[in-house]
Amino acid sequence: QKEVEQDPGPLSVPEGAIVSLNCTYSNSAFQYFMWYRQYSRKGPELLMYTYSSGNKEDGRFTAQVDKSSKYISLFIRDSQPSDSATYLCATYTNAGKSTFGDGTTLTVKP
Amino acid sequence: DVKVTQSSRYLVKRTGEKVFLECVQDMDHENMFWYRQDPGLGLRLIYFSYDVKMKEKGDIPEGYSVSREKKERFSLILESASTNQTSMYLCASRPSREYSPLHFGNGTRLTVT
Repeated sequence: QKEVEQDPGPLSVPEGAIVSLNCTYSNSAFQYFMWYRQYSRKGPELLMYTYSSGNKEDGRFTAQVDKSSKYISLFIRDSQPSDSATYLCATYTNAGKSTFGDGTTLTVKP
Repeated sequence: DVKVTQSSRYLVKRTGEKVFLECVQDMDHENMFWYRQDPGLGLRLIYFSYDVKMKEKGDIPEGYSVSREKKERFSLILESASTNQTSMYLCASRPSREYSPLHFGNGTRLTVT
């Protein structure tokens, strides 16, 4: 079993839609969760992170962690064509290594 | 801004060649990583380094080696390239403090024919 499983997508939504991107993780000891965004032909860049449970909001983006169900989500409100990218969830495992979901490719159509 | 620079965006090599992928970071980060990214398989860790001259195997080290002679530079070596090593290779760095995020380069697309 992979340590982080991500809903595979791809997702295609109209501009202005609310987008939900989701991952599950296997180890209840994981505490720090990240979302990276990767544009085509670029490396991933950190979008948001959360520590332990709860929500974290940054503009149109909200990251949510539910430790009871080992579920992490990224919500995008009022999605824009510029949000079209691959989104990767990630967490830290032992010794400071990061493990990633396989990514969900999002297309926001004008 | 942290900059992680990978020397080549695209490389085409022949089976059996020795291939060097170079990565340089400019923020004095202790930790450096090499990943490969394949459709449906996500990001997989090949090797990482906590500091100069240190290296640790990741999840898929077979067929690869690394070198870290200077803090800012981390090289990935394919000793004898094979077609199943055709992939996108991503280098990343981070400071050693706990929970620091990774900073990625823009990748090297390697094709082995």
